[in-house]
Amino acid sequence: AQKVTQAQTEISVVEKEDVTLDCVYETRDTTYYLFWYKQPPSGELVFLIRRNSFDEQNEISGRYSWNFQKSTSSFNFTITASQVVDSAVYFCALKGSNTGNQFYFGTGTSLTVIP
Amino acid sequence: DVKVTQSSRYLVKRTGEKVFLECVQDMDHENMFWYRQDPGLGLRLIYFSYDVKMKEKGDIPEGYSVSREKKERFSLILESASTNQTSMYLCASSLGDIISGGGGYTFGSGTRLTVV
Repeated sequence: AQKVTQAQTEISVVEKEDVTLDCVYETRDTTYYLFWYKQPPSGELVFLIRRNSFDEQNEISGRYSWNFQKSTSSFNFTITASQVVDSAVYFCALKGSNTGNQFYFGTGTSLTVIP
Repeated sequence: DVKVTQSSRYLVKRTGEKVFLECVQDMDHENMFWYRQDPGLGLRLIYFSYDVKMKEKGDIPEGYSVSREKKERFSLILESASTNQTSMYLCASSLGDIISGGGGYTFGSGTRLTVV
C-alpha cells in the first residue's frame, strides 16, 4: 500500500522565519519517487522537486531545502527566511515503481506567511 | 510554455444535470488524470487514462465517467450531478515513462464546481 501523511494541516509563520513542512510516506516498493508541489491561491499545482529513492542526497534550491531520510520514511521541506509569496498549500506525493503512473498525495499543508 | 488547460475555472450546475469537464494538454503526454480536491482530504483520484480510449478507475469513481477519444483531451463526466460532487476538480498529465518524466504531473488550474 502507498500512503503519504502530512500531519500539519495549517501553519502560520511571520515573514523571515524558517518553516519546515513534514512528509512521511509508506510504501513496499524498493524503488519509488517523492515529490513536492505548491498550490498558490490561483489553484494550479506547481512542481517543486522530485527525489528518487535511490538518491538520498539532500537538496537546496535558493531558500528551499529538502531532507530525505529513508530510515524514517520522511521527506521534509524547509523554507528559509519565509516570504509572503510562500503562502500556499503544499502537497507531498509518492509514486511507487509498481503502481503504474498513479501518484499518491498527502492531504496538504496550508502555509500562511504573515507580513 | 507547456500547458494543461481546463475549460472552465468556475461552474455552477443544478442537481441532476449532466456535467462535462474538459481537459486538454499540449505536451503529447500519454497519461492523464482527474482528481478532486476537498478540504482535509487532499487530492483523490477519480479516473485516469494511459492511452487513447483507455481508462482506469481511481479511488472514487462512483458517479463519474470519463472519455478519451484523442490523446490530448480527457473529459470528466458527472452523469447526474449531486451536491456532494461540489468540489475543486484538477486535471493532470504526465509522460508514460516516469524515469524521464522530470516533475511527474503537470496540472491544470482547476475547475471549481458548485452543484446547487
